[in-house]
Amino acid sequence: EAQVTQNPRYLITVTGKKLTVTCSQNMNHEYMSWYRQDPGLGLRQIYYSMNVEVTDKGDVPEGYKVSRKEKRNFPLILESPSPNQTSLYFCASRTGDEAFFGQGTRLTVV
Amino acid sequence: SQQGEEDPQALSIQEGENATMNCSYKTSINNLQWYRQNSGRGLVHLILIRSNEREKHSGRLRVTLDTSKKSSSLLITASRAADTASYFCALPGSARQLTFGSGTQLTVLP
Repeated sequence: EAQVTQNPRYLITVTGKKLTVTCSQNMNHEYMSWYRQDPGLGLRQIYYSMNVEVTDKGDVPEGYKVSRKEKRNFPLILESPSPNQTSLYFCASRTGDEAFFGQGTRLTVV
Repeated sequence: SQQGEEDPQALSIQEGENATMNCSYKTSINNLQWYRQNSGRGLVHLILIRSNEREKHSGRLRVTLDTSKKSSSLLITASRAADTASYFCALPGSARQLTFGSGTQLTVLP
């Protein structure tokens, strides 16, 4: 089954404790991206990757890092999480116009 | 990248009625997509309409695009309780980015 898998689905962490949210897709898509969703603000793109070893900043990249060492994986790294990074995060992948989304990771930073 | 603006922000209708939501944008686009999001879940692609198309159908969905007014509408006919969700329009941007608006929250009452 074609899918984008994010882990974990839920995470509560403390300020400053490094964390990684994993994202994996099995559709051989070149393009992958991370979004955060906050009430009233819609989805905002954090980072995107057009292919292996090619990443670039989206609209809200501060406080985040990504890497794309393999085509299928695109982890999101928060080196020192802060409470303003409490949000619902989505990974998405695509080759053409249609984007496929993961189920989301609800992150709470206390 | 430009962001589409959905209208209304929230819509509540009775089962069986039609639901119409709109998306407006500012600069010319090649295509526009609509996505659905069930509460807290990942977005699911519904339909894509290209700039040279005026109307497109998919099941109970009808999408129109008016490039002169820079707006699109999504019509859901004979709505069901299962249509309760948030609906987003998505616009293509530079570097193949996809930007989303804040969405329309549709509630279909049984």
